[in-house]
Amino acid sequence: DIRMTQSPASLSASLGETVNIECLASEDIYSDLAWYQQKPGKSPQLLIYNANSLQNGVPSRFSGSGSGTQYSLKINSLQSEDVATYFCQQYNNYPLTFGSGTKLEIK
Amino acid sequence: EVQLQESGPGLVKPSQSLSLTCSVTGYSITSNYWGWIRKFPGNKMEWMGYISYSGSTSYNPSLKSRISITRDTSKNQFFLQLNSVTTEDTATYYCARYYDGYYHPLDYWGQGVMVTVSS
Repeated sequence: DIRMTQSPASLSASLGETVNIECLASEDIYSDLAWYQQKPGKSPQLLIYNANSLQNGVPSRFSGSGSGTQYSLKINSLQSEDVATYFCQQYNNYPLTFGSGTKLEIK
Repeated sequence: EVQLQESGPGLVKPSQSLSLTCSVTGYSITSNYWGWIRKFPGNKMEWMGYISYSGSTSYNPSLKSRISITRDTSKNQFFLQLNSVTTEDTATYYCARYYDGYYHPLDYWGQGVMVTVSS
């Protein structure tokens, strides 16, 4: 199975700041990577797919980058509604595997 | 709009079977792929399996022969059965739609149903 190592586990930032979340795959996943946002008590929402493609309806302050084994999610101009847990997922190989999640809070 | 809703018992006894239903509205399950994913206490997520538009299935080897995913196209529902459950199967279970084929992300998810395995 492909192991997805996500960091940090938790993050606290101020409104308006920029934050970065990283995901490291145990092997090349050829940009077959998605990022999801999950707010408390809600279902996961797809933010980014193919490592850097923004899902319809997702604010442009979210962006993804990376290739090979290293990927990142960037959130510009942090807003209060961005409080959530974020996780990555690879779909290059089965079984699909997920990162362990990053809990984002506002300072 | 595509919507998915999980339903099923919230409490299952050890060694019994866990059975969940995913009801889909706004899109036919005879298109795309449809999956089950679970989130354990502590946030680890595990892909369990999928059923395709044609009814073919694929399962996580970690679940070995305990899992079965089936469907009822007349009701636009698909189902998860997990046999011989233990306390380690306690999790929130989600159903989700694949964006396109099975090498694609999951673009619509249900709200999730929490299942506790306990005597």
